[in-house]
Amino acid sequence: NAGVTQTPKFQVLKTGQSMTLQCAQDMNHNSMYWYRQDPGMGLRLIYYSASEGTTDKGEVPNGYNVSRLNKREFSLRLESAAPSQTSVYFCASSLTVSPYNEQFFGPGTRLTVL
Amino acid sequence: AQSVSQHNHHVILSEAASLELGCNYSYGGTVNLFWYVQYPGQHLQLLLKYFSGDPLVKGIKGFEAEFIKSKFSFNLRKPSVQWSDTAEYFCAVSSSGGSYIPTFGRGTSLIVHP
Repeated sequence: NAGVTQTPKFQVLKTGQSMTLQCAQDMNHNSMYWYRQDPGMGLRLIYYSASEGTTDKGEVPNGYNVSRLNKREFSLRLESAAPSQTSVYFCASSLTVSPYNEQFFGPGTRLTVL
Repeated sequence: AQSVSQHNHHVILSEAASLELGCNYSYGGTVNLFWYVQYPGQHLQLLLKYFSGDPLVKGIKGFEAEFIKSKFSFNLRKPSVQWSDTAEYFCAVSSSGGSYIPTFGRGTSLIVHP
């Protein structure tokens, strides 16, 4: 099992460019999440998908869109990148959205917006 | 809403020293508590978790944490650290009455010198 995979690992964008971060899991989990990690800020939830066909905003959704393509895949799109979106992005999954469930994380995407 | 505070942002220790990382949460109801670890270049993984029962929880690699309800704390401890414990450590809290999705602290960067 690969667990949670993310592509790309690194990306440099210019202000105003768009891009999509891809995430896939092979654990048959129902729920998936996108976080950003900034120095001194910990992990902040951007969007999540409790199950296939549903998505909800997290703490910092502005400037992002998501698509739950199927049960395995959950993508994050930046329509017009801004320097404030320079961050490390982590995708995670869990069996369900439950306070008892462990989250499994991908390796992250390091994004720099110039 | 629940929140998590990790007071130690950077900790530097020598091998064999004892470790205690602080974690305090704010939420008046029943909580579930997690410690995740992120080794350099790797993704976050679960170190240990507490749901109920014995407040002293043992995790992987010799780590343990104690839930003290009266102090709203869930501190992480290890009697003798190793160089391989160099990592970033995140405390997280979820709750049935608040957010099912874990809220993460800012993280503590631990460097262990050989």
